[in-house]
Amino acid sequence: KNEVEQSPQNLTAQEGEFITINCSYSVGISALHWLQQHPGGGIVSLFMLSSGKKKHGRLIATINIQEKHSSLHITASHPRDSAVYICAVRWYSGGGADGLTFGKGTHLIIQP
Amino acid sequence: NAGVTQTPKFQVLKTGQSMTLQCAQDMNHEYMSWYRQDPGMGLRLIHYSVGAGITDQGEVPNGYNVSRSTTEDFPLRLLSAAPSQTSVYFCASTNWGSNQPQHFGDGTRLSIL
Repeated sequence: KNEVEQSPQNLTAQEGEFITINCSYSVGISALHWLQQHPGGGIVSLFMLSSGKKKHGRLIATINIQEKHSSLHITASHPRDSAVYICAVRWYSGGGADGLTFGKGTHLIIQP
Repeated sequence: NAGVTQTPKFQVLKTGQSMTLQCAQDMNHEYMSWYRQDPGMGLRLIHYSVGAGITDQGEVPNGYNVSRSTTEDFPLRLLSAAPSQTSVYFCASTNWGSNQPQHFGDGTRLSIL
């Protein structure tokens, strides 16, 4: 079964720290998504990438297709960044529309 | 600009009851999907649709039915609720062919007693 693995599962850090969340997947993909879920809230798409690097504000997402690995970085972390961060992939299935496969998420807490 | 709207936000059912979770999007997206989120597990795909009149099963379809009569709406039906269906349900939409980001609804928290 194609899988998506995230690490760490839980991360507590102090305000201002540089945060890295990792995502590994098992076979070729056509796209990788990073999502954010706040407590009791909905899910927001942060990035979608298929190669290279994307940046939005203090968030940076990178992907290494050869190593089947992606990272989400948060610079100058703030308590409002506290959330669950989810990696999801669309497998390269020749055009099949069978949805995304999700990692279990990384629960991030930023303490003041 | 509503995006993806799910109703209800919360629901409690008794075992054996039926209900429909509603999902509507106003972005003219072809692709819509339903996921369930359970503690300690990633979101899992229940059913999806690539356009009006076309639906297909995802990873965990048993106990759920869907239909897609319009581009905007994609309801999820529980015909005979079971405690194992206690979960948080998310509807999502996107333009699948162009590999665009998915837009999620706020979720429906469903408890089956």
